[in-house]
Amino acid sequence: KQEVTQIPAALSVPEGENLVLNCSFTDSAIYNLQWFRQDPGKGLTSLLLIQSSQREQTSGRLNASLDKSSGRSTLYIAASQPGDSATYLCAPGGSNYKLTFGKGTLLTVNP
Amino acid sequence: NAGVMQNPRHLVRRRGQEARLRCSPMKGHSHVYWYRQLPEEGLKFMVYLQKENIIDESGMPKERFSAEFPKEGPSILRIQQVVRGDSAAYFCASSPARKNTEAFFGQGTRLTVV
Repeated sequence: KQEVTQIPAALSVPEGENLVLNCSFTDSAIYNLQWFRQDPGKGLTSLLLIQSSQREQTSGRLNASLDKSSGRSTLYIAASQPGDSATYLCAPGGSNYKLTFGKGTLLTVNP
Repeated sequence: NAGVMQNPRHLVRRRGQEARLRCSPMKGHSHVYWYRQLPEEGLKFMVYLQKENIIDESGMPKERFSAEFPKEGPSILRIQQVVRGDSAAYFCASSPARKNTEAFFGQGTRLTVV
């Protein structure tokens, strides 16, 4: 059974800081891994999708890496902004491409 | 191309009533997934459907819950005889009929059982 852990559970940083969110998963037999953001009371917005054969993906100020063999992924956010404040969720995709979610990292970027 | 549409956004039901949650996938997507987010918990997989077929229902409670994705129309998650513990946010995701593709989520239906 896949289990996903995200560290830290909460993070508060000043605007402009670069930061790293960590995700670890127990079953390395995954097809892909997605990072999402969730704003309070809202749905999930997909940020990045990494295929199992890839090492990293970049989109704007976001960079996600994947080390499938060690069961780890990181999300790097450069030059953080207050609008980045949200909960960030990591979700490896397993059999039938269903996603297993961690509890997320609650990010607060202070102006 | 509209995103994944879920309705209603908020639903209040009394204990013992039925709840019907609807999900229209993105255009061209034939795979639908339902997830549940209980208060203070992460999202949990419930069921995976393709048109007219349930592919994986390993996350569905054995009683009172059912799901369908008919040939025409939205996917429906049905909860019979709701109890307070069913109060949660229910999210639907869709993806195209290809492997290793991105899943797109709807805004969710927040069910409150009173």
